Amino acid sequence: GENVEQHPSTLSVQEGDSAVIKCTYSDSASNYFPWYKQELGKGPQLIIDIRSNVGEKKDQRIAVTLNKTAKHFSLHITETQPEDSAVYFCAASFHNTDKLIFGTGTRLQVFP
Amino acid sequence: DTEVTQTPKHLVMGMTNKKSLKCEQHMGHRAMYWYKQKAKKPPELMFVYSYEKLSINESVPSRFSPECPNSSLLNLHLHALQPEDSALYLCASSHWTSGTQETQYFGPGTRLLVL
Repeated sequence: GENVEQHPSTLSVQEGDSAVIKCTYSDSASNYFPWYKQELGKGPQLIIDIRSNVGEKKDQRIAVTLNKTAKHFSLHITETQPEDSAVYFCAASFHNTDKLIFGTGTRLQVFP
Repeated sequence: DTEVTQTPKHLVMGMTNKKSLKCEQHMGHRAMYWYKQKAKKPPELMFVYSYEKLSINESVPSRFSPECPNSSLLNLHLHALQPEDSALYLCASSHWTSGTQETQYFGPGTRLLVL
């Protein structure tokens, strides 16, 4: 069945360091890969997304890379700040449906 | 504006109560979604509406009844819930294009406690 694996489950970094979160998907038909940030008590907020016709996308301190052959995609956050602390979820589209399959989440803590 | 609003923010109900969750968006999106999220878990899809028609029901128990009265509103009617139904209920919306997953925007959620 459809599956998205996400690693690591927790990540602690010093302010100013980089953070990398990796996801692997199983559905070869997946073509859309969003990343969401969820702060405590709030709904998930889209931070960046990428489609399968692109290998990399960047938005200021955040970048996403996609390796379709290996079915891997990764979130890169540079110059981390304490306000980046949150749970991050990757997701992948499922076939041609309106369905997103979410990864299990990564709790990122950025220490000042 | 990418805002999805949900009411109420918090809800406590007994197992014999009937209540409704509401979701609203004014972004012209024609797809709307209900998700359930338990603590420390990812959101789980429950229902999808596209153009006000139910397109996906992820085998959700009938005690959850969705309704999409118009393109801006989405309701989730709750009846005879169980304590294990306590969770954060998230609404999301997106544009709808056949064969393409569009960006989903989430609301803040309703935190539900069933006693």
